Amino acid sequence: GAVVSQHPSWVICKSGTSVKIECRSLDFQATTMFWYRQFPKQSLMLMATSNEGSKATYEQGVEKDKFLINHASLTLSTLTVTSAHPEDSSFYICSARSPFIGNYEQYFGPGTRLTVT
Amino acid sequence: ELKVEQNPLFLSMQEGKNYTIYCNYSTTSDRLYWYRQDPGKSLESLFVLLSNGAVKQEGRLMASLDTKARLSTLHITAAVHDLSATYFCAVDGASGTYKYIFGTGTRLKVLA
Repeated sequence: GAVVSQHPSWVICKSGTSVKIECRSLDFQATTMFWYRQFPKQSLMLMATSNEGSKATYEQGVEKDKFLINHASLTLSTLTVTSAHPEDSSFYICSARSPFIGNYEQYFGPGTRLTVT
Repeated sequence: ELKVEQNPLFLSMQEGKNYTIYCNYSTTSDRLYWYRQDPGKSLESLFVLLSNGAVKQEGRLMASLDTKARLSTLHITAAVHDLSATYFCAVDGASGTYKYIFGTGTRLKVLA
């Protein structure tokens, strides 16, 4: 149980274009979803927290107009990287949690590798 | 600001040896998580530690939590090559938000 999927698993896009990444909780309803970014050989950095039906809360230094997050349902959150640039190339990982399962823990998706050329 | 530090950052060890990875954090938290990450992959949950004195073991790995010292340890017993990976600890960042702050990570390489 507590499976989280991401789509796509990898994507290559051209500089200046936008790309959307989906995060789905497959077997539970996620009241909260989190988006992380990980650069090579570095730790995970939290970008934003999203609660279903409300606006995402962004961490300091994360551009909300560049990284658009929508949590439209209890099983789906999307991250749209707008006007992507090569420096946005990274591994994006989402996680989801529910107050009804687990012990406050987050369940992580398999990640999406974004390459901007 | 909550900080989570791990040491060592990199560990190269021979098979069969024991070693401990340390995770120190800077503010009060009763919940700490350990994850394993293989190259190019996402996180695999190893341990969930929810109270002071919690100890959990799975195979050759054992994790403990001392909330008073703000310290968690991940002990490796008789390492094998398959344990080579990067290990992260994560701490709940703030009460009620359930945000994680991740440690710096420890890259473990077990030499055959």
